[in-house]
Amino acid sequence: DTAVSQTPKYLVTQMGNDKSIKCEQNLGHDTMYWYKQDSKKFLKIMFSYNNKELIINETVPNRFSPKSPDKAHLNLHINSLELGDSAVYFCASSYGTGQNSPLHFGNGTRLTVT
Amino acid sequence: GESVGLHLPTLSVQEGDNSIINCAYSNSASDYFIWYKQESGKGPQFIIDIRSNMDKRQGQRVTVLLNKTVKHLSLQIAATQPGDSAVYFCAENNAGNMLTFGGGTRLMVKP
Repeated sequence: DTAVSQTPKYLVTQMGNDKSIKCEQNLGHDTMYWYKQDSKKFLKIMFSYNNKELIINETVPNRFSPKSPDKAHLNLHINSLELGDSAVYFCASSYGTGQNSPLHFGNGTRLTVT
Repeated sequence: GESVGLHLPTLSVQEGDNSIINCAYSNSASDYFIWYKQESGKGPQFIIDIRSNMDKRQGQRVTVLLNKTVKHLSLQIAATQPGDSAVYFCAENNAGNMLTFGGGTRLMVKP
């Protein structure tokens, strides 16, 4: 069974469109995250939710809006997509806030904006 | 296919040799460190972690060393195998309860 699953795996869309990426974890973790990985493999945190509440919101454009309907799900909605949004987006989860337990990652969603 | 990390440091080793991947971390207040392995097309996978009250921790074929004095972390892989080829990341958890990743090192294992 996949512990952290995100869909879709690939997403190709045009500039200006709105798209969503879904993430679910079956590990019983209470914290979930979205990370962005650029073409140079650099991983940067975007958001963190603990028990459905936002606890980290890095400098991310307002066009990105996370939504956590329950602690097993954290979806990412992106409005008015731009070329610079092209990247691989990773969902992750952990016990607590990751201070003493590792994050478990999904396999990523490769977003290509044309 | 996956794009190449153009500026990713690369370590090339012969199969069977030991590998050492180094990482310099930035925050002296960081108290928890993790090494991740990322294979092509997959997400980062946990390898081993270490807390700041330790300077060494061993797993199966892997050892992590922590030198807090110089803020340095290393991952040693014994008897490197082709399946170890991947990008390796160190990550530190700083006082902000946020896991911050290093830039990654690509390990290439030659048969």
